[in-house]
Amino acid sequence: GAVVSQHPSRVICKSGTSVKIECRSLDFQATTMFWYRQFPKQSLMLMATSNEGSKATYEQGVEKDKFLINHASLTLSTLTVTSAHPEDSSFYICSAQRRQGAHGYTFGSGTRLTVV
Amino acid sequence: KQEVTQIPAALSVPEGENLVLNCSFTDSAIYNLQWFRQDPGKGLTSLLLIQSSQREQTSGRLNASLDKSSGRSTLYIAASQPGDSATYLCAVRPNTGNQFYFGTGTSLTVIP
Repeated sequence: GAVVSQHPSRVICKSGTSVKIECRSLDFQATTMFWYRQFPKQSLMLMATSNEGSKATYEQGVEKDKFLINHASLTLSTLTVTSAHPEDSSFYICSAQRRQGAHGYTFGSGTRLTVV
Repeated sequence: KQEVTQIPAALSVPEGENLVLNCSFTDSAIYNLQWFRQDPGKGLTSLLLIQSSQREQTSGRLNASLDKSSGRSTLYIAASQPGDSATYLCAVRPNTGNQFYFGTGTSLTVIP
């Protein structure tokens, strides 16, 4: 079945540093990648949508200069949290849209980011 | 904007019980609705997907229903097991756009 590999699964970083999260579609081409984040006891909220080879579209309230998204190929998308602050601590998860398959979307396993 | 609500927020039941999780959404113009399972610190596992034209879907001990006009979906779990303990998320995909709108989830604990 379709698999999206997301790593790291957990990362702790110091305030002010940058963290890169990767999502790879292992056995299919992801035409679109969605990045969500989930704060404790809250729902998953869409941050941005990226299509291969084009700029990401960010949801209202999400700073594009802080959350850099690169979707350079059909199998890889990255989210970089720049100058991280403790309030950026959250669970980040990607979802890849594939052309085939009954469900059409495959989620990564998520990344727990803690900024200290 | 679509809003998705799940009740109860948390549920604890003894093993073997049948249970129902509820999901409601404010905009009935949906393309499909999906139920997911999320284990602590892990990603999402898709359980059932119901297209807007369907009324229910079944997979093993799970049955999901959809009443689009009233903006409601239920997930029925039969003969619950400790391994069913997880957070269950409901998500709707609108007719326009590709994103999912998620509910806040129901945290289920099945006590052996």
